[in-house]
Amino acid sequence: DVKVTQSSRYLVKRTGEKVFLECVQDMDHENMFWYRQDPGLGLRLIYFSYDVKMKEKGDIPEGYSVSREKKERFSLILESASTNQTSMYLCASSSAGRGNTIYFGEGSWLTVV
Amino acid sequence: AQTVTQSQPEMSVQEAETVTLSCTYDTSESNYYLFWYKQPPSRQMILVIRQEAYKQQNATENRFSVNFQKAAKSFSLKISDSQLGDTAMYFCAFMDSNYQLIWGAGTKLIIKP
Repeated sequence: DVKVTQSSRYLVKRTGEKVFLECVQDMDHENMFWYRQDPGLGLRLIYFSYDVKMKEKGDIPEGYSVSREKKERFSLILESASTNQTSMYLCASSSAGRGNTIYFGEGSWLTVV
Repeated sequence: AQTVTQSQPEMSVQEAETVTLSCTYDTSESNYYLFWYKQPPSRQMILVIRQEAYKQQNATENRFSVNFQKAAKSFSLKISDSQLGDTAMYFCAFMDSNYQLIWGAGTKLIIKP
């Protein structure tokens, strides 16, 4: 089974803190994604990466950055957390090619106080 | 802009009944992919079914089938003989020619015993 593992299920951080969300996949997938999920808004793409050290902005990249130093690992960084970044964050991966299944992690609930 | 609309925020049916979730989308492209994903209360999103736009035949996966109406830009999901384990959020998604997934806001489906 494909496994996408997100390092933290629940986090509580203070405003202004730097936050790291880690994601690891075990299927040698080229593509990796970070989404934000909010009620009534569906999933919104923050960043995606199609190869090591490559990244592309999604729909809502402001306030976020990413790092992909190894193929299996894709990190989401909140440089200075704000309360409006309280949300569920979903990491996902897929093999290259259009229409391929995207596999998701279990999600990370981030609360910024 | 391409959009995906799920007009039913929440639905509930009795176990063993058939339920249909609606999804409409807006695009000027002719070749694309459509997906239904399921997110159970444990939060890990999984693929339910996929449809390629150039294929006339509606996709089917066991109790799950779609009614794909390309001209009407409609992609509904039918769940037959619903089970308690079908309780979840269901998301419709569209993949464009740039490999970007556009998501609907989701439908919360509750199967009652």
